[in-house]
Amino acid sequence: NAGVTQTPKFQVLKTGQSMTLQCAQDMNHEYMSWYRQDPGMGLRLIHYSVGAGITDQGEVPNGYNVSRSTTEDFPLRLLSAAPSQTSVYFCASSYQIQETQYFGPGTRLLVL
Amino acid sequence: GQQLNQSPQSMFIQEGEDVSMNCTSSSIFNTWLWYKQDPGEGPVLLIALYKAGELTSNGRLTAQFGITRKDSFLNISASIPSDVGIYFCAAFRGAQKLVFGQGTRLTINP
Repeated sequence: NAGVTQTPKFQVLKTGQSMTLQCAQDMNHEYMSWYRQDPGMGLRLIHYSVGAGITDQGEVPNGYNVSRSTTEDFPLRLLSAAPSQTSVYFCASSYQIQETQYFGPGTRLLVL
Repeated sequence: GQQLNQSPQSMFIQEGEDVSMNCTSSSIFNTWLWYKQDPGEGPVLLIALYKAGELTSNGRLTAQFGITRKDSFLNISASIPSDVGIYFCAAFRGAQKLVFGQGTRLTINP
């Protein structure tokens, strides 16, 4: 199993550009989530999904959209990037809620 | 906002020393988790705690779920160089949302 994979590893955007961060898992996990990590603030939950077709907002959802059309994939979309979205983004998955979450390697995003 | 207060924010210790860190909150939680993050990687779960008062070990790591359900502690005994990293506490807010502490950065002098 590849586990949780994220692409790209690094990305530089200009303010106002859009992009999609990809996340995929091959463990048949129902629960997937996106976090952002900023210095001194730990990880903060952006959006999560409890299964295909179901998504919900986390603690910091503004500026981000998600969809879950398949069990394997959970992309995160930035419609109009802002410098405040400069961060490291982690995707995670677990078989069920409150079971062990497995994190991907992260995507480092810089918005100029 | 941040609901878990983790301390200390950083630690500089000698190899072989024991390490203690803790996480407190004004809210009650039913599950406490401890993660470790190595540079350039995602967090990895170390220990999960599900019951107030529970004491759980994983090798040289020991964690406790506070009786009040508002705090948790992580101890590392006889630290070694590979213990370097950032340690996070986390807890579930409601049934579905995981919240994290700010992290404790551990540095070890050989």
